[in-house]
Parts: sequence; structure tokens; C-alpha cells
Amino acid sequence: DQQVKQNSPSLSVQEGRISILNCDYTNSMFDYFLWYKKYPAEGPTFLISISSIKDKNEDGRFTVFLNKSAKHLSLHIVPSQPGDSAVYFCAASALRIQGAQKLVFGQGTRLTINP
Amino acid sequence: SAVISQKPSRDICQRGTSLTIQCQVDSQVTMMFWYRQQPGQSLTLIATANQGSEATYESGFVIDKFPISRPNLTFSTLTVSNMSPEDSSIYLCSADTSGGLLDTQYFGPGTRLTVL
Repeated sequence: DQQVKQNSPSLSVQEGRISILNCDYTNSMFDYFLWYKKYPAEGPTFLISISSIKDKNEDGRFTVFLNKSAKHLSLHIVPSQPGDSAVYFCAASALRIQGAQKLVFGQGTRLTINP
Repeated sequence: SAVISQKPSRDICQRGTSLTIQCQVDSQVTMMFWYRQQPGQSLTLIATANQGSEATYESGFVIDKFPISRPNLTFSTLTVSNMSPEDSSIYLCSADTSGGLLDTQYFGPGTRLTVL
């Protein structure tokens, strides 16, 4: 049972354009969502997060949108830069319910930014 | 944030042997975790490493196969016991530096394990 799904295994975007990565979840108990970026041979790096009490969180070029009714979140990167090429993981947790940091990850989307 | 290091970075092991992976954090943290990423798969939580007590394992993972130690607030080890080729994965440790408030975990670089 895949509770967090990233249906696009890969995405290719031209430099300077907007990159949109999508993530869907099934567990309505999830109340905290995170995006991680992973380069080859490195561990995932925390990028941005959002609590379920919000529908948008912005940090520089990165914005995460949460649509609770659709159980969907997206990460927008604008403008996209070559250094953004990496695998992006969506993760979710039910912090209020479980009281512990059990992150459930999606399968990842490989983003390639073309010059 | 936290700087997390892991040793070894990679290893090739024979079937039936065991490997212990070390994880060191540059600051004291309350929560440390161990994940596995099998080829082409997502990250899956193996267990939460509790300081001073037994680790808490997720469904599908048992202490006999993946014994974990957490002797202090900056260090943990994961042992992969009696290895088989199916254990070939990247093993990652992570730490929560928010004290349980924000659920933001920071990850080590991972240990790439190949079992022949």
C-alpha cells in the first residue's frame, strides 16, 4: 500500500522555466509534508515543508502548495536552474497522531534541467 | 540543521556475513532513524533508534536481522545480519534536530551495500 505517490518518475524542464513536481497521498491522518532533494551518492537534503494548516509555503525559488481536499501537494521551482537537477522526494507524516517522526516517502521524481 | 556522517560509505559483502554501519551526528539529537532504499524504490523506515533503550522497529523489520545501538545522543549503529543479496540497498541514517516539533529530518550520505 503506497500511501505517498509520485506518479512521474522523471521530468525534463528548460532552464529558466517553472518546474512542477506532484505528489499524492492517501492517508488523511497525514498533517505534515516535506520535500527532499537528492543528488547521486549523497543523502536526501531537506528542501521545504508545509503543515496541513496551510495551503502554501514559499522559500525563495521554491513554493509548496497543499490541496487537502484532493490529498495532493506540489513543489514549484521558478526559475529552474541546472543545479536543480536531482531526484526529488515527497514525504508525509502524521505528527499529531503518532507523536513521532515517521516519514513516509514517495518513489521520487528525477528532475533534469536542460540548458 | 545537523551534519551527519556514515561509515562505511560503501561495501561489498559475502552472503551470510554481517555488516555494521556507523552514524555520527555533529550535535546532540533526540531522535535518530535508519532507512533503507532498495534499487529503484523509495526510502523505507527500518526503525527509530532510541537512546538508552531498544529500537522501535517498523512492520517487516526485526531486531534479529537489524540490531541497532544508540549509546548516546550523537551516535548510532545498524547491523545487517546474515546478509543475502536481497539486502543489497542504500542504508541511510537520519536525525531530527527540532526536538520533535517539526518532523524535519536530516540525512547522512548513505551506505551502499552490495551482497554477493
